[in-house]
Amino acid sequence: EDKVVQSPLSLVVHEGDTVTLNCSYEVTNFRSLLWYKQEKKAPTFLFMLTSSGIEKKSGRLSSILDKKELFSILNITATQTGDSAVYLCAYQPYSGAGSYQLTFGKGTKLSVIP
Amino acid sequence: KAGVTQTPRYLIKTRGQQVTLSCSPISGHRSVSWYQQTPGQGLQFLFEYFSETQRNKGNFPGRFSGRQFSNSRSEMNVSTLELGDSALYLCASSSGTVGEQYFGPGTRLTVT
Repeated sequence: EDKVVQSPLSLVVHEGDTVTLNCSYEVTNFRSLLWYKQEKKAPTFLFMLTSSGIEKKSGRLSSILDKKELFSILNITATQTGDSAVYLCAYQPYSGAGSYQLTFGKGTKLSVIP
Repeated sequence: KAGVTQTPRYLIKTRGQQVTLSCSPISGHRSVSWYQQTPGQGLQFLFEYFSETQRNKGNFPGRFSGRQFSNSRSEMNVSTLELGDSALYLCASSSGTVGEQYFGPGTRLTVT
């Protein structure tokens, strides 16, 4: 059973478009929700959203967390070809062992065409 | 600050062999987590170490093991390799007291 569901699975847009990527998650012991960008190899950290930080922005990227409806969105405005990547959402629960384990969604593959 | 480093970057092994992968976290970070990434299953959690202790373990067979040293460097070992172990193995570094994790470049393991 998937605990983190991302949509859409893939998306093709033109440069300059605005995109919204979605992530819904399971509620059990919610600690935080993280977004990553993965191009060729290692996922690159983008944002971490928690109960005390439900909105983050960095340049053209922004993200919000809706704890009531159990979802998060990642917005990218004025897209560029360099934004082409797989965007991963990861859920991080509280655990008795104090672990910071991440459970990832399958990702959204974004392709930006000139 | 230097990022997370993983060695080797590529490995080709034969079924039945064993392999050891290494990860050096960001300086000052005390936690290392390991993940396996495959096209079918995506990114899956293997285990997490903090101050030389395994803090959590994912749903993988006992052939997968790991350890962490006093300098926070970590190794993971896979014994009796199977074809299905072919994957990108990613190591993530964090302070251990906050949730942000930073990934290394990964080790691409191919089992033939």
